[in-house]
Amino acid sequence: DAGITQSPRHKVTETGTPVTLRCHQTENHRYMYWYRQDPGHGLRLIHYSYGVKDTDKGEVSDGYSVSRSKTEDFLLTLESATSSQTSVYFCAISEQGAGGANVLTFGAGSRLTVL
Amino acid sequence: SQKIEQNSEALNIQEGKTATLTCNYTNYSPAYLQWYRQDPGRGPVFLLLIRENEKEKRKERLKVTFDTTLKQSLFHITASQPADSATYLCALPVSGGYNKLIFGAGTRLAVHP
Repeated sequence: DAGITQSPRHKVTETGTPVTLRCHQTENHRYMYWYRQDPGHGLRLIHYSYGVKDTDKGEVSDGYSVSRSKTEDFLLTLESATSSQTSVYFCAISEQGAGGANVLTFGAGSRLTVL
Repeated sequence: SQKIEQNSEALNIQEGKTATLTCNYTNYSPAYLQWYRQDPGRGPVFLLLIRENEKEKRKERLKVTFDTTLKQSLFHITASQPADSATYLCALPVSGGYNKLIFGAGTRLAVHP
């Protein structure tokens, strides 16, 4: 997954603890996204960013916050993890292409287990 | 609200046959549609994009059609190979927000030798 790195790749935590997932890109793309993927639901957008300090909510944003203080880093924070947040989290980046088309490049994913 | 539907059942085909996957959407008219491939344990990888004014798009053994009247896209893999086994996702831009994509749940394709 050239140009985009997620960390940690695997994490096990307990209910009620805070968790931060990091997405780092070297492509200097403007747009960054956090999705979660669960069986039967596919990819669902949590939050996205359209520039430094510019973020917006996706369809499943409750219980999550994000921050983007630099172009290359997009952090996803679970303030108090719950078992329902056990999932695989994918970061994606994009640069808006011709005609407004937006093609995403995904990271390798971060598997989070909340016990 | 916008909704994307892909066949949740796995598609099993013999090597050399053509695989056809379906993506149906409701409640809006997207300017384009995309297909991604996802292998187990990895992130999705972009394959093809087709715009609303294009009926068909081809890339090597891949062909995508886009019927805006039926609100449906078909994804074909001709002369399929076991290496084509993966989950295929379709994606559409969110209405009014072209910088965001929504994804279908994906269809798993298994190509048997």
